[in-house]
Amino acid sequence: EDQVTQSPEALRLQEGESSSLNCSYTVSGLRGLFWYRQDPGKGPEFLFTLYSAGEEKEKERLKATLTKKESFLHITAPKPEDSATYLCAVLGAGAQKLVFGQGTRLTINP
Amino acid sequence: EAQVTQNPRYLITVTGKKLTVTCSQNMNHEYMSWYRQDPGLGLRQIYYSMNVEVTDKGDVPEGYKVSRKEKRNFPLILESPSPNQTSLYFCASSLRPTGSLFDSPLHFGNGTRLTVT
Repeated sequence: EDQVTQSPEALRLQEGESSSLNCSYTVSGLRGLFWYRQDPGKGPEFLFTLYSAGEEKEKERLKATLTKKESFLHITAPKPEDSATYLCAVLGAGAQKLVFGQGTRLTINP
Repeated sequence: EAQVTQNPRYLITVTGKKLTVTCSQNMNHEYMSWYRQDPGLGLRQIYYSMNVEVTDKGDVPEGYKVSRKEKRNFPLILESPSPNQTSLYFCASSLRPTGSLFDSPLHFGNGTRLTVT
């Protein structure tokens, strides 16, 4: 069974303090790993898809990386508007659905 | 504006009273899906649809029904709601069915918070 574990559950940073969120996964044949951002009271918003180990994607202050067992979402010099819950999901070989982790709730203090 | 629209945003009902949560997308997406989100359990898929008239069960389908008579609409029906169906529900869609070679990302609606007393 495909599984996704995200850590930490919650992370509080000062503005400008860089850090990383972790997404560990077990899947039979990874077709894709997805990162989403979810703001309170809203649906998840797509950020990145990673397909193979070694791949990296960037968007503003966010960079996602992928290994064979985990993905990291690096946040460089974050701002308060980066505060949100970040969700990771995987799509396994032959699967018809994404399997989501429970998310990391990120708070950036000004 | 491209979007997935769910209604209502908030719903409080009583046990056993049938209800429908509507979902509509204006992006001509083939794939649509319903999720519920619960603290500590994350997002779990209820039902999904690969195209019109094609629906299938997700991980937690018990107590729910869906239909896909038109490409843009995918309503979620609770025939006899129970308190354990109190949750935050999300409808999502994507251009191509999840599982195709080059997956297109899921677009989510803003959610329906359901309380069953």
